[in-house]
Amino acid sequence: DIQMTQSPSSLSASVGDRVTITCRASQSIYSYLNWYLQRPGKAPKLLIHAASSLQSGVPSRFSGTGYGTNFTLTVSSLQPEDFGTYYCQQSYSFPPTFGQGTKLEIK
Amino acid sequence: QVQLVQPGAEVKKPGASVRVSCKTSGYYFTGYFLHWLRQAPGQGPEWMGLINPNSGDTNYAEKFQGRVTMTRDTSVDTAYMELSGLRSDDTALYFCAASTGTGDYFDYWGQGTLITVSS
Repeated sequence: DIQMTQSPSSLSASVGDRVTITCRASQSIYSYLNWYLQRPGKAPKLLIHAASSLQSGVPSRFSGTGYGTNFTLTVSSLQPEDFGTYYCQQSYSFPPTFGQGTKLEIK
Repeated sequence: QVQLVQPGAEVKKPGASVRVSCKTSGYYFTGYFLHWLRQAPGQGPEWMGLINPNSGDTNYAEKFQGRVTMTRDTSVDTAYMELSGLRSDDTALYFCAASTGTGDYFDYWGQGTLITVSS
C-alpha cells in the first residue's frame, strides 16, 4: 500500500492567515492526490481532486499544487469555517490511502 | 440534491455481525461506484472496499477479505455493508461515499454510522 505522510500534524492560526499543509507519498502518484476537510462529528468534505482541481462549490481561497510524491494545500486567507482536520488521499492505486491528518486550530 | 443517509449508531458484542445501510438519492445510483470507509477515534479514514451498484461486483481491501460483504438493492437505491466477527478494534465510525467524478475520490458522503463493539 502507498503510505501518505502529512506535515505538520497540527497547527494554530488566526482568521485571515495564510496556511500551507504538506503531503508526501511513499512512491510517485503522479497527480492522483485529493484533499478533504473534516469538521468534528462530520464526514470529510472534498476540497481538491487531481492535486489542483477545485471541487465545485469550494471557495477559491483553497488551492493545491504538486506532482509525483510532494503536494501542498494552501488556504490563502483563513475563515472561521476552515478550522478542522485536513486529510490528503491518494487515488493512484488500490487501496486508496489517507494521510494521518493535519489538525488546524484557532489561535 | 445528492444524499446518502445512514443509521446513527449500533452496539454489538464481540463475535457478532453488523449490517449498515446507505440509502442514496439525488443521483444515478447504478452509474457510480459506492465505497465504504471507516474511521477509528483519532485516526484518518480507512478504505474498506467498493461495490459497483450496476453489476454488483465488489473489490475489498485485503485487510477485510473474508469478513466483509457489500451488497446493493437497486429497487431502493440502497447499498449495504456487513462486517462479521466483530472485535473491539472494529469500534469506529463507518461511512459510505460515492465517487461521481472522474477519479477514485469521494465527493459525496453519508453522515456515518457509529459501531461500538463491547461486551
